[in-house]
Amino acid sequence: SQKIEQNSEALNIQEGKTATLTCNYTNYSPAYLQWYRQDPGRGPVFLLLIRENEKEKRKERLKVTFDTTLKQSLFHITASQPADSATYLCALLNQAGTALIFGKGTTLSVSS
Amino acid sequence: ETGVTQSPTHLIKTRGQQVTLRCSSQSGHNTVSWYQQALGQGPQFIFQYYREEENGRGNFPPRFSGLQFPNYSSELNVNALELDDSALYLCASSSGTYTEAFFGQGTRLTVV
Repeated sequence: SQKIEQNSEALNIQEGKTATLTCNYTNYSPAYLQWYRQDPGRGPVFLLLIRENEKEKRKERLKVTFDTTLKQSLFHITASQPADSATYLCALLNQAGTALIFGKGTTLSVSS
Repeated sequence: ETGVTQSPTHLIKTRGQQVTLRCSSQSGHNTVSWYQQALGQGPQFIFQYYREEENGRGNFPPRFSGLQFPNYSSELNVNALELDDSALYLCASSSGTYTEAFFGQGTRLTVV
C-alpha cells in the first residue's frame, strides 16, 4: 500500500530563517502531491499542489519541490514568521484516485 | 461563495451509541470526502461521495456509513461507537479528483 512519511515530527527555527520540511513516499508514483497547513483544532488548509512533471512551485514565501526519482518533496518557508507556526501536512492521491493519503505532519514552531 | 461547514463542532457520546455528523460542501463542489484524524496523526480517509454515490472507501468497518444529498451536502453515521472512535472528523469538498480539497473545521467526537 502507499506510504507517506514526514520524517520530522517537530521543527523549531528562529524568525527570519528558512524552514525546510521533508515528505517521502513509497510504493507509488503519484500524479501530484499537495501540502496543507493545519492549526490546532482546525481543518487543514490547502497551500500548494505540485504535479509530477513540475520540479518546483512557488507561492509568495512558500516553495515546493518534487523529485519523482527520490520519491521526495521538500517544502520551504522563507523569511519565516511566528505566524507560520502550525502543523504542515503533505498528501498524495491514492492509486484509485479517490482519496488523499496524508503524512503525520511536521509541527513547525517559529520563535521571535 | 461559502466554505465547507460542519456540525456540530463538538460532541460527547457514550460507547455503543450512534452518531450523525453533517457537512455542507463548498458551493459548486460535487465531491465530498470524510476523514478521521486521531490526535498527533494525519487525517485518514473514510470514504468519498460523488454525485450521491459512494466513490471509494478506506479501511473502516461497515458501522461507518454515509450519505450525500442532491445539494451535495453529506452525512457521516457511526454505529456502535467505540472508545477508539474518539477523534476529529473532517469533511472535505472538491470540484473533482485532481484538485485541491477544501476542509471544514471538523467535528470533535469524544466517546466515553
